[in-house]
Amino acid sequence: AQTVTQSQPEMSVQEAETVTLSCTYDTSESDYYLFWYKQPPSRQMILVIRQEAYKQQNATENRFSVNFQKAAKSFSLKISDSQLGDAAMYFCAYRSAFWVTPLVFGKGTRLSVIA
Amino acid sequence: NAGVTQTPKFQVLKTGQSMTLQCAQDMNHEYMSWYRQDPGMGLRLIHYSVGAGITDQGEVPNGYNVSRSTTEDFPLRLLSAAPSQTSVYFCASSQGRQGGETQYFGPGTRLLVL
Repeated sequence: AQTVTQSQPEMSVQEAETVTLSCTYDTSESDYYLFWYKQPPSRQMILVIRQEAYKQQNATENRFSVNFQKAAKSFSLKISDSQLGDAAMYFCAYRSAFWVTPLVFGKGTRLSVIA
Repeated sequence: NAGVTQTPKFQVLKTGQSMTLQCAQDMNHEYMSWYRQDPGMGLRLIHYSVGAGITDQGEVPNGYNVSRSTTEDFPLRLLSAAPSQTSVYFCASSQGRQGGETQYFGPGTRLLVL
């Protein structure tokens, strides 16, 4: 079974600075997708960024980018120019590309942004 | 489109009571699922469905039933509520079964079992 590990329960960053959230995963599959979801205090789950394992290029969405290291099974999220609105829980998630399987989530990292 | 809707937003139950959490989507999505979120545990899958009439168990299915009689609706039934089922419940849907498809989440239902 696949597992996703987020080793940082809490992180903080100064406004306008850069922060990196860590995620590692375990799988024997060769093709899969990795995701970062943001959950603000409203509880709504918001997709931040998505990466397919077959793509070498790291995904980028505005101030959010990932460092995908397939061999190391690592998938970190970098937030640049942090804003107060970035404060939230962030979840890393895995989904197989081959089977009808659900998302497997990590336990989350709570990010605080300090003004 | 309303997207994924969940009712109620908040519910208090007594131990042993039963109830149904409603989930509906108006995007004609094939795939629907239910997760529960507990502090420090992330989201864990309860049940999922790949189409009307087809359901399967996830990681934590005990104490919950589901059915999928229509594409739009995917209710979650608690047969006899227990304090361990106190949680926030999320319903999600996606167009098909492909791994990379965006899953759309509902706003969640907060359940307190006394």
